Amino acid sequence: AQSVAQPEDQVNVAEGNPLTVKCTYSVSGNPYLFWYVQYPNRGLQFLLKYITGDNLVKGSYGFEAEFNKSQTSFHLKKPSALVSDSALYFCAVRPISGSARQLTFGSGTQLTVLP
Amino acid sequence: EAQVTQNPRYLITVTGKKLTVTCSQNMNHEYMSWYRQDPGLGLRQIYYSMNVEVTDKGDVPEGYKVSRKEKRNFPLILESPSPNQTSLYFCASSSAPTVYNEQFFGPGTRLTVL
Repeated sequence: AQSVAQPEDQVNVAEGNPLTVKCTYSVSGNPYLFWYVQYPNRGLQFLLKYITGDNLVKGSYGFEAEFNKSQTSFHLKKPSALVSDSALYFCAVRPISGSARQLTFGSGTQLTVLP
Repeated sequence: EAQVTQNPRYLITVTGKKLTVTCSQNMNHEYMSWYRQDPGLGLRQIYYSMNVEVTDKGDVPEGYKVSRKEKRNFPLILESPSPNQTSLYFCASSSAPTVYNEQFFGPGTRLTVL
């Protein structure tokens, strides 16, 4: 069975500093990987995904993520954090050979950007 | 505007009183799904549907029912709600191929069962 670990429940960073939200996964075979963001009282919004190709994926709002197969990681990054980036972030994984339903989410990481 | 809508957004009910949470999408998506979100557990899939009249269980289907009679609608039914179904519920939809396309989420329904 696949799984996703987001080892940090909470990440605090000062505005203007780089941010990283960590994600590691376990899946049989190759993965499709996703990041979603949830703002207060809103549904999840898609940020970016890795399907194949370049290991560095660029997404919405200046976010990017790097797929590292040997470390089974897909960390979310941004060079310069904004206060408006404060939200709950979810990593998700699905095996390439799996069915549509096999999307597994991590438990989420609350990012707080301090002014 | 492309969107997934859910109603109601907030609901407080009592144990055993049947309820339905509606979900509708206007993007002509084939795939729809229901999740519940609980603190520390992330999102867990309840039921999903690959197309009209095709539904299947997710990871936590007990106590829930769904139907997909029309492509745009995917209601979630709790026939006899219990307090352990108090949660935040999200409906989502996706176009084919669903294995690598992102999902679009509704705004959520916060359910409290007393």
